[in-house]
Amino acid sequence: ETGVTQSPTHLIKTRGQQVTLRCSSQSGHNTVSWYQQALGQGPQFIFQYYREEENGRGNFPPRFSGLQFPNYSSELNVNALELDDSALYLCASSLLAGITYNEQFFGPGTRLTVL
Amino acid sequence: DQQVKQNSPSLSVQEGRISILNCDYTNSMFDYFLWYKKYPAEGPTFLISISSIKDKNEDGRFTVFLNKSAKHLSLHIVPSQPGDSAVYFCAASAGGGATNKLIFGTGTLLAVQP
Repeated sequence: ETGVTQSPTHLIKTRGQQVTLRCSSQSGHNTVSWYQQALGQGPQFIFQYYREEENGRGNFPPRFSGLQFPNYSSELNVNALELDDSALYLCASSLLAGITYNEQFFGPGTRLTVL
Repeated sequence: DQQVKQNSPSLSVQEGRISILNCDYTNSMFDYFLWYKKYPAEGPTFLISISSIKDKNEDGRFTVFLNKSAKHLSLHIVPSQPGDSAVYFCAASAGGGATNKLIFGTGTLLAVQP
């Protein structure tokens, strides 16, 4: 059973550019959540995808968008990058089934630096 | 609006002693609470959780206590080991399993001294 993987590990972009981050979910999981962790802060929920549809969104502007594919892998896209977008981006996968809470398993993250 | 708060940025404990990490929350709709541990350059790793219908959950050296009236939870690690040194995040979820959205605290850096 493979865990959650993310690519790339590190990325450097300049202000105004666009970036795509990728996440492969753990086998058997149908949900992917994305979090942004700024330096010295806890992870902040960006959005979640369940069966290819957005299933909840945090307080992030529309230039943060995502996709989930039929194999449950996911992409996070950020347009018009700003300096404050510099952070660790974490992907977490889980199995959403009924009302039972199932733990989220996190990937190692992608470190994005915006210059 | 910080719904989950960890007021101690850091904690230092001697090996073999008890580590107590604290977390406060404001949203009474939270019904599931979790602790994650994070090493540098790795993603958070799930440690232990507790449902709001319970007041204690134990797993080996780790015990989580929930005081709903005080909106407070704590993680006890006993005995503490040097390998426990990491950042510990408290997280909460509302709405059962419907979204699994987690609200995290800012973390507490635990240092266990040999």
